[in-house]
Amino acid sequence: KNEVEQSPQNLTAQEGEFITINCSYSVGISALHWLQQHPGGGIVSLFMLSSGKKKHGRLIATINIQEKHSSLHITASHPRDSAVYICALGDYGGSQGNLIFGKGTKLSVKP
Amino acid sequence: GAGVSQSPRYKVAKRGQDVALRCDPISGHVSLFWYQQALGQGPEFLTYFQNEAQLDKSGLPSDRFFAERPEGSVSTLKIQRTQQEDSAVYLCASSHGQGDVETQYFGPGTRLLVL
Repeated sequence: KNEVEQSPQNLTAQEGEFITINCSYSVGISALHWLQQHPGGGIVSLFMLSSGKKKHGRLIATINIQEKHSSLHITASHPRDSAVYICALGDYGGSQGNLIFGKGTKLSVKP
Repeated sequence: GAGVSQSPRYKVAKRGQDVALRCDPISGHVSLFWYQQALGQGPEFLTYFQNEAQLDKSGLPSDRFFAERPEGSVSTLKIQRTQQEDSAVYLCASSHGQGDVETQYFGPGTRLLVL
C-alpha cells in the first residue's frame, strides 16, 4: 500500500519557470516533511510543516491537513534546483519518530 | 558543527559476507534512524533509536539485519550473510528530539553492492 503519492514522478522545466510538486497521503498526520536529494544521495531537509504555508527563499511549501495534500513550489527555477524532491510523513498513528517517504519527484531544470 | 557522517561511503561485498555500516550522528542528538533506499525508490524505514534504546525495529527486513547504539551516540548496522537484494543505499539520520516532528539530518549514505 502507498500511504504517500507524489506527482509528477518526473518533471523537466526551463530555467525561470514556476514549478509545483504535489504530495497526497492517506493517513492522518500532524507533520509533513519536504526533502531534497541530490545525485550522489545526500538528503537535505527543506521544510517541516503541520499547517498553512512556509517560505524559504524561492521555495514555498503548503499543506492542507483536512484534504491530506501538500505542495512544494519553486519560483524562478534554476538548474541547481535539479534534484529529487521527497515528501515524507511524520507523527502518524503509531509512529515512533520515523518517517514514511514518497518515491520522490525527479526535477530537471534546463538552462 | 559537523553533520551526520557515515562510513564506509561505498562497500562491495560478496554474497554471504557480513558487513558493518557505521553512523556518527550529530553530537547530542537523541534520535537516530536507519533507512534503506533502493535504486529509484524513496527511503524506507529500518530501525530507530532513542539514545541507546532501540524503540522500533519493525522495518528490518530479516533477522540477518541487526543494529546497535550501545552508548547512545555512534550506531552500527550489521548485515549478516549478505544477499543480492540487500544492495541499496543505507541512510542514517539523527534529530535532536523525536524525529518525526522536527528536522532530521541525514548522512551521505553507504552504498552497498552485493555481488
